[in-house]
Amino acid sequence: DVKVTQSSRYLVKRTGEKVFLECVQDMDHENMFWYRQDPGLGLRLIYFSYDVKMKEKGDIPEGYSVSREKKERFSLILESASTNQTSMYLCASTSAGQASSYNEQFFGPGTRLTVL
Amino acid sequence: KQEVTQIPAALSVPEGENLVLNCSFTDSAIYNLQWFRQDPGKGLTSLLLIQSSQREQTSGRLNASLDKSSGRSTLYIAASQPGDSATYLCAVLSNYQLIWGAGTKLIIKP
Repeated sequence: DVKVTQSSRYLVKRTGEKVFLECVQDMDHENMFWYRQDPGLGLRLIYFSYDVKMKEKGDIPEGYSVSREKKERFSLILESASTNQTSMYLCASTSAGQASSYNEQFFGPGTRLTVL
Repeated sequence: KQEVTQIPAALSVPEGENLVLNCSFTDSAIYNLQWFRQDPGKGLTSLLLIQSSQREQTSGRLNASLDKSSGRSTLYIAASQPGDSATYLCAVLSNYQLIWGAGTKLIIKP
């Protein structure tokens, strides 16, 4: 069974803290993605990775960084958390091929982050 | 620039009815279109994936169609049940990116 897991379901942090969100997939997928989801704005892509140690900026990378040291793990880092980063964060993975028409995205359960 | 629209934003129907959710996109140059379901406070579950060369896909009570030339996809849910209540999102793979609709919140009344 396809599995994408995220380290925390709920997280509360203070302004200025460094925050790590972890995502792990067990499907040997090459591609991994981080989105945030906000009411009225839908899903927005933050960063994605097509291979180990490879990363690409999405639509809203500001205030975030990522790390992909192993194929199965993709980390999202908030260097200095701010209140406008309070959101639901969703991780996803897909099989190889940037434009492959077989790229079905599989999602983790999400992490609801609150920054006070 | 590809844009994806889902109308209506919310829908409430009595249990047992058949219903259709709509998704439209502005650029027909897509690789595939995917329908997802999201329950409150949870992640997304993939329902159906339609390749650009396909016209429809079926899974149980769900049927998704794709008309690239008109930029439309529909998700048909037969014999709706209260457990179908969720937000349904469509997304198109276009220009190496997944472009999302804002979703339709569906409520099935028992």
